[in-house]
Amino acid sequence: EIVLTQSPGTLSLSPGERATLSCRASQSVSSNYLSWYQQKPGQAPRLLIYDASSRATGIPDRFSGSGSGTDFTLTISRLEPEDFAVYYCQQYGSSLITFGQGTRLEIK
Amino acid sequence: QVQLVQSGAEVKKPGASVKVSCKASGYTFTSYTMHWVRQAPGQRLEWMGWINTGNGNTKYSQNFQGRVTITRDTSASTAYMELSSLKSEDTAIYYCTRPHLPTVITPVSWFDPWGQGTLVTVSS
Repeated sequence: EIVLTQSPGTLSLSPGERATLSCRASQSVSSNYLSWYQQKPGQAPRLLIYDASSRATGIPDRFSGSGSGTDFTLTISRLEPEDFAVYYCQQYGSSLITFGQGTRLEIK
Repeated sequence: QVQLVQSGAEVKKPGASVKVSCKASGYTFTSYTMHWVRQAPGQRLEWMGWINTGNGNTKYSQNFQGRVTITRDTSASTAYMELSSLKSEDTAIYYCTRPHLPTVITPVSWFDPWGQGTLVTVSS
């Protein structure tokens, strides 16, 4: 199975700053079939990005995804207070789906 | 709108089984696979498996092979996940979730929407 490793584990930033989250795959993700989710306490994950760089419906344009092959990035251009949460990457290039371990984005 | 509504919280003893339901609405149930994902306290999301709601075929993560069974009732637009031989480590929130793309295109894609989650607690 494809192992996804996210870094950093925790990212401490202030509102208005730029956040860069990384997701590295143990092997190439077919067709860049990688998505990003945001999860807040007590809630189900919320889809942000699919196919590595396509923004989901209703997601603000401060969220962007990039990357290909084994290295992917989620960027939040200017952090809003509601953006502080845990972020997960997921690959669906293989029929055996896997998730990263998450990056916790906390207020500095 | 597309909605997935799961059954309520469960408390089980070690060695028992649990069956969680997921009722779908707002779309043609048999046109999309249904997946199950769990999340232990403070842990990452863990994919468990999926069912082709059209023909009943299933695919499971090796981490759960032999212990998990995913079924569906097309007349009720409901999918089920049964986990047997429960251990304390199975204490988690269990989510059903649907791929965005229909089965005719692919059985796996990005997940949207998600059910609200069902807390399963395994304790003696």
